[in-house]
Amino acid sequence: GAVVSQHPSRVICKSGTSVKIECRSLDFQATTMFWYRQFPKQSLMLMATSNEGSKATYEQGVEKDKFLINHASLTLSTLTVTSAHPEDSSFYICSAASQGNYGYTFGSGTRLTVV
Amino acid sequence: GENVEQHPSTLSVQEGDSAVIKCTYSDSASNYFPWYKQELGKGPQLIIDIRSNVGEKKDQRIAVTLNKTAKHFSLHITETQPEDSAVYFCAVNAGGTSYGKLTFGQGTILTVHP
Repeated sequence: GAVVSQHPSRVICKSGTSVKIECRSLDFQATTMFWYRQFPKQSLMLMATSNEGSKATYEQGVEKDKFLINHASLTLSTLTVTSAHPEDSSFYICSAASQGNYGYTFGSGTRLTVV
Repeated sequence: GENVEQHPSTLSVQEGDSAVIKCTYSDSASNYFPWYKQELGKGPQLIIDIRSNVGEKKDQRIAVTLNKTAKHFSLHITETQPEDSAVYFCAVNAGGTSYGKLTFGQGTILTVHP
């Protein structure tokens, strides 16, 4: 079946630094990539939607200059958390959708801890 | 926007019993209704989904029923096993677009006691 590889699975960074999270669709072309954030014991909250070759669409309240999304190819999307702060500590999950495929494939998630 | 309500928030059952989780949604244009299982520290895994042209779908011990008129759908797990313990999320596609964004329910923590 469809697989989305997300890396890293865990990352610890210092306040003020930037962290990049990668999601790769291994056996299909991801027309659309969704990025979610999940706080402990809470649901998934959509941060942004990106289509290959286009600028990402951010949900209300999500700072686009802080959470940079790049979807340069049909198999790779990245989320960069810039100038990270402890409140950015969370579980980040990507999800890929491919044209013609009515399903969504989720990555395994990245646990970000900012110290 | 789409509003998805999921109940109950926690569910505790004995092994072998059935578990039912219900979700209601607000957008009548929604036409794709997946259910996900999430284990601690992992991404969500699709366990079953249903589309609006179908009222019920079953896959072994798992079934989903959909009532489009009432705008609710339910997950049914029969003969529960301890390994079914996890957090379950329902989701709904916004506006009925085929690969549009999903709105998730609040989640249900299912605990199956041996």
